[in-house]
Amino acid sequence: GESVGLHLPTLSVQEGDNSIINCAYSNSASDYFIWYKQESGKGPQFIIDIRSNMDKRQGQRVTVLLNKTVKHLSLQIAATQPGDSAVYFCAENRAGNQFYFGTGTSLTVIP
Amino acid sequence: DSGVTQTPKHLITATGQRVTLRCSPRSGDLSVYWYQQSLDQGLQFLIQYYNGEERAKGNILERFSAQQFPDLHSELNLSSLELGDSALYFCASSVLSGGQETQYFGPGTRLLVL
Repeated sequence: GESVGLHLPTLSVQEGDNSIINCAYSNSASDYFIWYKQESGKGPQFIIDIRSNMDKRQGQRVTVLLNKTVKHLSLQIAATQPGDSAVYFCAENRAGNQFYFGTGTSLTVIP
Repeated sequence: DSGVTQTPKHLITATGQRVTLRCSPRSGDLSVYWYQQSLDQGLQFLIQYYNGEERAKGNILERFSAQQFPDLHSELNLSSLELGDSALYFCASSVLSGGQETQYFGPGTRLLVL
């Protein structure tokens, strides 16, 4: 069936290292993807988005890569900081503007 | 701060009761979405309103209902509450840019049903 999911539920990285968080989707009709960051006790916060006509998009310390061939999305965080510790969700936009979210990956940054 | 506000922040109630959650979207945003987030699940889409009218429905129970008022704030009503309704409830408002819609989330309401 159709799904938006994450490969790993948890990820621990050393401060200063780069982090890579992965997401798989199964609907090739999806044309818009967003990464959200959710800190404990807070609502999801928009990080970066990408449209299906792009393979890569860069923000401040973050890069999103989209591989439409294998229906894979990744979020790369450069020089990970303690403040990056949070749960990260990918969201998939399908027809009708409904968003579907993965369960999230919990990122822990080790000082 | 996303600009989306939600009240109350916390709510504790008993089974069988009814509660109302309130959301004020960002200034100028016409769409409001409601989501439920349980401990063991990701964000589950409940319902969307656009400029006062229901636009899309997701996994919303019949015991739940929502509406969007002329001033664009929205309320989510949860009735005949069950223990399993304990969760975080988020609303999001959206902006359309370049043909794509981006959602901005409020801080959520944490509901505990005892």
